[in-house]
Amino acid sequence: QKEVEQDPGPLSVPEGAIVSLNCTYSNSAFQYFMWYRQYSRKGPELLMYTYSSGNKEDGRFTAQVDKSSKYISLFIRDSQPSDSATYLCAMSAKAGTALIFGKGTTLSVSS
Amino acid sequence: DVKVTQSSRYLVKRTGEKVFLECVQDMDHENMFWYRQDPGLGLRLIYFSYDVKMKEKGDIPEGYSVSREKKERFSLILESASTNQTSMYLCASSQIRDGDSNQPQHFGDGTRLSIL
Repeated sequence: QKEVEQDPGPLSVPEGAIVSLNCTYSNSAFQYFMWYRQYSRKGPELLMYTYSSGNKEDGRFTAQVDKSSKYISLFIRDSQPSDSATYLCAMSAKAGTALIFGKGTTLSVSS
Repeated sequence: DVKVTQSSRYLVKRTGEKVFLECVQDMDHENMFWYRQDPGLGLRLIYFSYDVKMKEKGDIPEGYSVSREKKERFSLILESASTNQTSMYLCASSQIRDGDSNQPQHFGDGTRLSIL
């Protein structure tokens, strides 16, 4: 079983839709969780960061962590064509250590 | 904002050449990382460094070495480039803090390296 599983998509939605992106993981020691957005030919850009369990909201984006189910989610409300990108989940057990990444989900939002 | 700068966006080299990829960060971060990103394989860690002159192997260090002579600069070296090292190379940096204050990794825009 891979440490981090992420559905690669592609995921296509109309503008204004609510998008749900998910990752599951196997290592119960993970406690730092991140979502990165990567546009074509660019590096990953940090979108959301959560320590331990719970929810975090930033504008149209909400990150959720459920450590009991080993499951993390990113919700995008009122999706826009500019949200079209690859979304990577990443996590680690200790602060500052190397991250374990999911393989990314490609999202396309059509106007 | 954190700025991680990779010296080249695109690079073409020949098999057997020694290749240097440079990365500089401007936030005085202790930690620096080199990943490669390939379709279907995601990001894989090559090497990382927690301090000047300090390095640790990641998951795929074979064929690579690194150098960190100054805190802000982390170099990746392909000792003798091979075609299977054609990839997107990403540098990242981070600052260690406990708990919710931890500073996650910030990435550069990557170097797309082709080995012919």
